[in-house]
Amino acid sequence: TQLLEQSPQFLSIQEGENLTVYCNSSSVFSSLQWYRQEPGEGPVLLVTVVTGGEVKKLKRLTFQFGDARKDSSLHITAAQPGDTGLYLCAGGRNNSKLTFGKGITLSVRP
Amino acid sequence: EAGVTQFPSHSVIEKGQTVTLRCDPISGHDNLYWYRRVMGKEIKFLLHFVKESKQDESGMPNNRFLAERTGGTYSTLKVQPAELEDSGVYFCASSQDPAGLSEQYFGPGTRLTVT
Repeated sequence: TQLLEQSPQFLSIQEGENLTVYCNSSSVFSSLQWYRQEPGEGPVLLVTVVTGGEVKKLKRLTFQFGDARKDSSLHITAAQPGDTGLYLCAGGRNNSKLTFGKGITLSVRP
Repeated sequence: EAGVTQFPSHSVIEKGQTVTLRCDPISGHDNLYWYRRVMGKEIKFLLHFVKESKQDESGMPNNRFLAERTGGTYSTLKVQPAELEDSGVYFCASSQDPAGLSEQYFGPGTRLTVT
């Protein structure tokens, strides 16, 4: 049973478009991390959200944590080819193991 | 500041052989984690050290896997004897996170192929 469902699994868009992807769970997490991974490298931490309803912005990326702390979304404005990669969400509970989703493969065409 | 480093980056071994993976965490990070991603699946937790102590080893698949962190610095993960299903990418992560936010910083991974 997968605890964190990410959708869509694959997304291919044109440069300049906006997109939103999702991370959903039936479990409550004390924090949720979004990572970006490129081929041959490890996941790189983008953001951590901890408070229900919290919104964080990182340049053109907007992250939101659901009110019940079970789900999260990532919105990218005016996507660029450099945004291409695998986006992973991971739920954490107080300095312990992370539970990962399978990831969303994003391709931004020039 | 140097990030998490892992060695080797790739390893190809035959079934039945032994392999040892190494992880050097970010300096000063007490928490060290091992994860694994097998093809088509999500990254899954294996083990968590706090300094030299095993805090949680609930993700270790079986007793063919042995993790150590002597002295609370670098860690090794030994697989003996390796089986075909052990193939995958092994990631190490570290954190120094008194607030308990679980912000973990990952190494580049070791790709293990068992033939």
